[in-house]
Amino acid sequence: SQQGEEDPQALSIQEGENATMNCSYKTSINNLQWYRQNSGRGLVHLILIRSNEREKHSGRLRVTLDTSKKSSSLLITASRAADTASYFCASPPGGSYKLIFGSGTRLLVRP
Amino acid sequence: DVKVTQSSRYLVKRTGEKVFLECVQDMDHENMFWYRQDPGLGLRLIYFSYDVKMKEKGDIPEGYSVSREKKERFSLILESASTNQTSMYLCACERRNMNTEAFFGQGTRLTVV
Repeated sequence: SQQGEEDPQALSIQEGENATMNCSYKTSINNLQWYRQNSGRGLVHLILIRSNEREKHSGRLRVTLDTSKKSSSLLITASRAADTASYFCASPPGGSYKLIFGSGTRLLVRP
Repeated sequence: DVKVTQSSRYLVKRTGEKVFLECVQDMDHENMFWYRQDPGLGLRLIYFSYDVKMKEKGDIPEGYSVSREKKERFSLILESASTNQTSMYLCACERRNMNTEAFFGQGTRLTVV
């Protein structure tokens, strides 16, 4: 079973536009994390938001968390061609150390 | 920086072979994970270890086993490789504190023929 489900599965935008990806999860969580994966490589951690936080920023990234709706969103502002990658949300289901990932959003930023 | 090293980037094995995928981390992290990644399915957790000699099954443990004899090394074992185990395998580690990030290896693309 997957803890998170990302939406959309694929997103294509023009350079300079904003990209928004959504994640829904099933159980209570301690935190929710977003990762990025360039084609055929390992994942790189982008940002972590704790369950008692509602919004967090890191550079061009903005993450929100709505625990009542069990959802999170990742906003990438002023996108660049180098942002082309797959993005995954992940969280440890309440009380567990296991880190469970969603199916990911493939982002294409056209130059 | 944390470094997570997987023993092979690409691997080709024959059906029925016993396959060992090795993962080594250099940051003394307690938790280690093995995932497989297939198109459209995201990352699925195979096994998880939270300490030496400790392991828990993930969502898809069938056909796999793991070994953690030392804190820095987490091995994934395919007892008898099958073609449906052709996939990208990713190892990760993280500190036991529940609000920390995970660090990933570069992945091993395994093909079973």
